[in-house]
Amino acid sequence: NAGVMQNPRHLVRRRGQEARLRCSPMKGHSHVYWYRQLPEEGLKFMVYLQKENIIDESGMPKERFSAEFPKEGPSILRIQQVVRGDSAAYFCASSPRGKGLALYEQYFGPGTRLTVT
Amino acid sequence: AQTVTQSQPEMSVQEAETVTLSCTYDTSESNYYLFWYKQPPSRQMILVIRQEAYKQQNATENRFSVNFQKAAKSFSLKISDSQLGDTAMYFCAFRGDGGSQGNLIFGKGTKLSVKP
Repeated sequence: NAGVMQNPRHLVRRRGQEARLRCSPMKGHSHVYWYRQLPEEGLKFMVYLQKENIIDESGMPKERFSAEFPKEGPSILRIQQVVRGDSAAYFCASSPRGKGLALYEQYFGPGTRLTVT
Repeated sequence: AQTVTQSQPEMSVQEAETVTLSCTYDTSESNYYLFWYKQPPSRQMILVIRQEAYKQQNATENRFSVNFQKAAKSFSLKISDSQLGDTAMYFCAFRGDGGSQGNLIFGKGTKLSVKP
């Protein structure tokens, strides 16, 4: 039973390029969350998606960042025209349901470390 | 808005001893969920223990237990018989039970070092 998969694990981009981060949730999970972790900080929520729907993007910067979770395939976090301040670890988590159950655990992937040079 | 505070940036403990990590939170919700996550040097986030606010009994998972004080909004983690593999960052996290919010709110973390 594979866990949450993220790729690539490490990504280096020059300023101005685009970064695409992929996340495949655990089997049977239909809810995906993206978090960003800056050095020496906790994780900060960015966006919460279900298949083909963005449920909550209140933590996402308004410009250059977008996320999707299509009917087929992984969830994608896209950062356009990257800047040095985008350098961080980006974590994806999945859960079987968003609400309504006592089990609110989120299972995390290994993260993608983005470095902008 | 909910907030989570971990007031100990770093702690150390001798192997086989007990250590307690502090966490306080602020919320106006009556039901919610609290978690402790461990992040070792590999950076993988690992769920250690969870607590549902409507349950008064403190959660326990092997050597890990919590002291949940709802009135004080406190959720500390106790690690007994500390092992070298417990060396990691530990994050306290909160999740509300209202609306469509599904995200976890994390504290800034406590860096725990277990010394031989």
